[in-house]
Amino acid sequence: TQLLEQSPQFLSIQEGENLTVYCNSSSVFSSLQWYRQEPGEGPVLLVTVVTGGEVKKLKRLTFQFGDARKDSSLHITAAQPGDTGLYLCAGQTNDYKLSFGAGTTVTVRA
Amino acid sequence: DTGVSQNPRHKITKRGQNVTFRCDPISEHNRLYWYRQTLGQGPEFLTYFQNEAQLEKSRLLSDRFSAERPKGSFSTLEIQRTEQGDSAMYLCASSRLLSRGRRGYTFGSGTRLTVV
Repeated sequence: TQLLEQSPQFLSIQEGENLTVYCNSSSVFSSLQWYRQEPGEGPVLLVTVVTGGEVKKLKRLTFQFGDARKDSSLHITAAQPGDTGLYLCAGQTNDYKLSFGAGTTVTVRA
Repeated sequence: DTGVSQNPRHKITKRGQNVTFRCDPISEHNRLYWYRQTLGQGPEFLTYFQNEAQLEKSRLLSDRFSAERPKGSFSTLEIQRTEQGDSAMYLCASSRLLSRGRRGYTFGSGTRLTVV
């Protein structure tokens, strides 16, 4: 059983549309990270959020950490085919361990 | 910063054989982690090292699995008497402490193990 539930599992949209991926848990995290993973490669860190209510922007990507530090969202504006990939959220539950969600597979069609 | 390097990238082995994977972390990172990822799932924590000390092992790491990090540099993960259920992507990561309690993680490209 995953500690973090991601939704949706799959998302297919047209280039230029917006999308939001959700990451939810009943556990509180000291920090939460978002990664993007391409087939056959390891996850690449996109962002780390630490403070409840924190919002971070990375170009067209906006990340939000819930006030209670139990959930997070990733919003992509005007998606491009290069945004295609598996998006993973990971919560830091203690000093050393990351617990990952199952991921959301995003496909952006040209 | 050359990133985290893992070798081999792919390994196909017969059931019952032993396999060993290697991970070279980023040199300034004092922590090294092993994760396992199966199809359709996120990575699952296996074990981690702080320098050369192995400080935590997941229950996923059966007695057929052993990891070492001699001299706190590269690490190896060995699986003895492989089973088909061991087929997965084995990911190595290293980390360093950043500001405000954050840890900066870098993952390698993984070793894809197929047990036939």
